[in-house]
Amino acid sequence: EAQVTQNPRYLITVTGKKLTVTCSQNMNHEYMSWYRQDPGLGLRQIYYSMNVEVTDKGDVPEGYKVSRKEKRNFPLILESPSPNQTSLYFCASSYSDRGNYEQYFGPGTRLTVT
Amino acid sequence: DQQVKQNSPSLSVQEGRISILNCDYTNSMFDYFLWYKKYPAEGPTFLISISSIKDKNEDGRFTVFLNKSAKHLSLHIVPSQPGDSAVYFCAAENQGGKLIFGQGTELSVKP
Repeated sequence: EAQVTQNPRYLITVTGKKLTVTCSQNMNHEYMSWYRQDPGLGLRQIYYSMNVEVTDKGDVPEGYKVSRKEKRNFPLILESPSPNQTSLYFCASSYSDRGNYEQYFGPGTRLTVT
Repeated sequence: DQQVKQNSPSLSVQEGRISILNCDYTNSMFDYFLWYKKYPAEGPTFLISISSIKDKNEDGRFTVFLNKSAKHLSLHIVPSQPGDSAVYFCAAENQGGKLIFGQGTELSVKP
C-alpha cells in the first residue's frame, strides 16, 4: 500500500529535550516536505527537500532541522524544543514540487512541549 | 501576510444540497490551485486541482471554479453527503513550486 508514515503519532516532551519525528514514504517520491498545522493559520511549510541531500527552508524553519540521506526518509529534528512548537505536524511527499503532482500526507504527529 | 485566505471557518449544509467553499488569494503569480480534504486524526488528502489557465475543473460531485480577475476560487460539492463532512484546505502554488495553504473551512453536512 502506497503511504507516508510518521512516528511517533503523539509525543509529550519538555522544553529543551531533543527529539526527532521520523517520516518515510514507499512511493519513490523525490519531493518531501514538513508542515505544521495551527488553529487559524492552516498548514505552514517548515522545510522541504527536492531530492537526496537537497533541502531548503519553508516559511517557518526556525527551531527545526531536517536531513535527507535516503530518498524514502525525511526526519524532522527539534534540537531544543520550546512550547511554541506545540503543534500538529504533517510530512508529505510527491513526485515533483509542481502542483500538478498531488502531495500525499502522513497521518500527523501531535507534539506537546511543556 | 496570509496570501491564501479562507474567510469562513465553518459551513453547515443540508444533505443533498450544494456546498460552496470559498478561497481568496493575493498573489497573481500563483499558477496552480488545489483543494485538500482532511478528516480528524488523518492527514490531508488531495481532492481536486485547477491550473491558472483554466476557469473550471470538474470531477464527479466536485467542481472548482477559478476567477482570476477577482483572485477567487471556489469548490462546489453537489449533492453534499454526510461523508463530505471534513475540513477543506485551499492551496496555491507559486512558480517556485511552493504550496501555500489557507486556514481551512470545516464543512458539516447534516442528514
